[in-house]
Amino acid sequence: QVQLQESGPGLVKPSETLSLTCSVSGDSITNDHWSWLRQPPGKGLEWIGYIHYTGSTNYNPSLRSRVSISIDTSKKHFSLTLTSVIAADSAVYYCARVTVDFWNGYYPYYMDVWGKGTTVIVSS
Amino acid sequence: DIQMTQSPSSLSASVGDRVTITCRASQSISPYLNWYQHKPGQAPKLLIYAASSLHRDVPSRFSGGRSGTDFTLTISSLQPDDFATYFCQQTSSTPYTFGQGTRVDI
Repeated sequence: QVQLQESGPGLVKPSETLSLTCSVSGDSITNDHWSWLRQPPGKGLEWIGYIHYTGSTNYNPSLRSRVSISIDTSKKHFSLTLTSVIAADSAVYYCARVTVDFWNGYYPYYMDVWGKGTTVIVSS
Repeated sequence: DIQMTQSPSSLSASVGDRVTITCRASQSISPYLNWYQHKPGQAPKLLIYAASSLHRDVPSRFSGGRSGTDFTLTISSLQPDDFATYFCQQTSSTPYTFGQGTRVDI
């Protein structure tokens, strides 16, 4: 059974860099895409971006100038880096596996495995 | 970005009730709509993908529907384990976007 586990500091100072790692167990990381998402307090989910195991990435334009997602297949983990953080970056951060399927002539993408999330607070 | 408008934001129901949650997309997203269940402190769980396909091991009391840009999640007979927050997600184009969520409680 595939499991994802986020890890990283729970407190980051404003203007500094947030770094999180998602460890993958129970499945090969050289399949599918791997994604980061977040949910600020009292708000809805926001998709941050995803990375394919080959290293190709796709980011939310709202964060593109500050975000980077990388993958280390040998260590079976992928990582999120968000620079110049502000208070509005405080959120629960989730990692997820993105699966591409084939259904009735369509290729739906969905997030079928998620981590439990890790809370990050941006504060001095 | 594609906007997803989800309603209601919360509802109260009883065990055995039929519950319907709606998401409306701001433009055509074909069937690229997923539904998730989320309980506090747990990982979100995929229920339905491609608007109406039940993910494996999800009980058959959950179903999804589509009419144009309107999508529904229906729980035919609410069970105690179903009290949670539900949210929709479009994966027609990036950035993927979500509905604001519907909290289902007693």
